[in-house]
Amino acid sequence: QQQVKQSPQSLIVQKGGIPIINCAYENTAFDYFPWYQQFPGKGPALLIAIRPDVSEKKEGRFTISFNKSAKQFSLHIMDSQPGDSATYFCAATPGSNYKLTFGKGTLLTVNP
Amino acid sequence: ETGVTQTPRHLVMGMTNKKSLKCEQHLGHNAMYWYKQSAKKPLELMFVYSLEERVENNSVPSRFSPECPNSSHLFLHLHTLQPEDSALYLCASSQEAGNTGELFFGEGSRLTVL
Repeated sequence: QQQVKQSPQSLIVQKGGIPIINCAYENTAFDYFPWYQQFPGKGPALLIAIRPDVSEKKEGRFTISFNKSAKQFSLHIMDSQPGDSATYFCAATPGSNYKLTFGKGTLLTVNP
Repeated sequence: ETGVTQTPRHLVMGMTNKKSLKCEQHLGHNAMYWYKQSAKKPLELMFVYSLEERVENNSVPSRFSPECPNSSHLFLHLHTLQPEDSALYLCASSQEAGNTGELFFGEGSRLTVL
């Protein structure tokens, strides 16, 4: 019940495309859903996060869509750029950082 | 120095060696974490400290021994490791451990066990 299932494992898009990364969970106690971005040789960094009281959150070119009934959430990257090439991790927690569960990650490549 | 700093960045050790990983945070946070990152696996939480007290230990083998002498420093002592322990070890900090909020990660220590 603590798992977060993330797909796809890898994704290649052209510059300007809209990559979509999906995550699904089972634990209905999860109430905070962050996305982390990791560049090669760097640690993950928080990109955007959402709570289940809203269905969508936008920050610049990054949007989280949240479907509470389906227990799914996804990350959309508008007008993707080569600099967005990184590994993206979704995560979820029932209310504390020490119970944060991560997905396996998606390696995104944006070709010029 | 800002953020979360980890040393060494790379470490190669034999199975009988003893070594330590060091983490330092300059953010004034109260919580610090050790994570293990292996290819194609989710980030695995190993240890959590809140105000220098260990609050979480996710069934980590005793060959990994954490130490948190103060709220700014965290160590991971390694001894008699196995080749499957080869991974990237990430340190992170946050304002608190008991609620939600941004985790700030270091760049990691890449460990290879021969």
